[in-house]
Amino acid sequence: DIQMTQSPSTLSASIGDRVTITCRASQSITKWLAWYQQKPGKAPKLLIYDASSLESGVPSRFSGSGSGTEFTLTISSLQPDDFATYFCQQYNSYSSYTFGQGTKLEIK
Amino acid sequence: QVQLVQSGAEVRKPGASVKLSCKASGFSFSIYVMHWVRQAPGQRLEWMGWIHAGTGNTKYSQKFQGRVTMTRDTSASTAYMELSGLRSEDTAVYYCARVFTKGPPDFWGQGSLVTVSS
Repeated sequence: DIQMTQSPSTLSASIGDRVTITCRASQSITKWLAWYQQKPGKAPKLLIYDASSLESGVPSRFSGSGSGTEFTLTISSLQPDDFATYFCQQYNSYSSYTFGQGTKLEIK
Repeated sequence: QVQLVQSGAEVRKPGASVKLSCKASGFSFSIYVMHWVRQAPGQRLEWMGWIHAGTGNTKYSQKFQGRVTMTRDTSASTAYMELSGLRSEDTAVYYCARVFTKGPPDFWGQGSLVTVSS
């Protein structure tokens, strides 16, 4: 299985900050990567798909980039609603989908 | 609007089975692939497998092969996931999620908590 490694595990930031989360795949997944936001007790919410495409309804302060094995999620200006946990997921193969371990974004 | 409504919390003893349901509405169920993903306490999300709602074709994670069965009832727009041989490590929130063609899950159910305890 393809392993997904996210960094950092925890990130402390302030309102208005620009933050970046990284996700690395153990082998190339071309562009088949998604980013999700999850709040406690809630289902994940899709933010970015195909590495850089913004899901409908998601604010434009969220953006994704990367290809191959290295990907980033950037939030350009943190808003109060953005404090949550973020996961990456690869969907390169129909037979195996794997997730990163998550990055908890906390208020500094 | 799109909805995936999952069945409620379950408590099972080790060795038992559990069958969860995921009722879809607000979209054309039969053209989607329904995935099941679980999240144990403090752990990352873990993909279990999928079922094509139209054809009934399935693909399971090797980890769960032999213990998981995914089915669907197109007349009820409902997907099911049965996990057998439960152990304490299966205690988790189980989510269903829909996928269209080659994409990630774009909409998830609210989750069903399964607790395995003697």
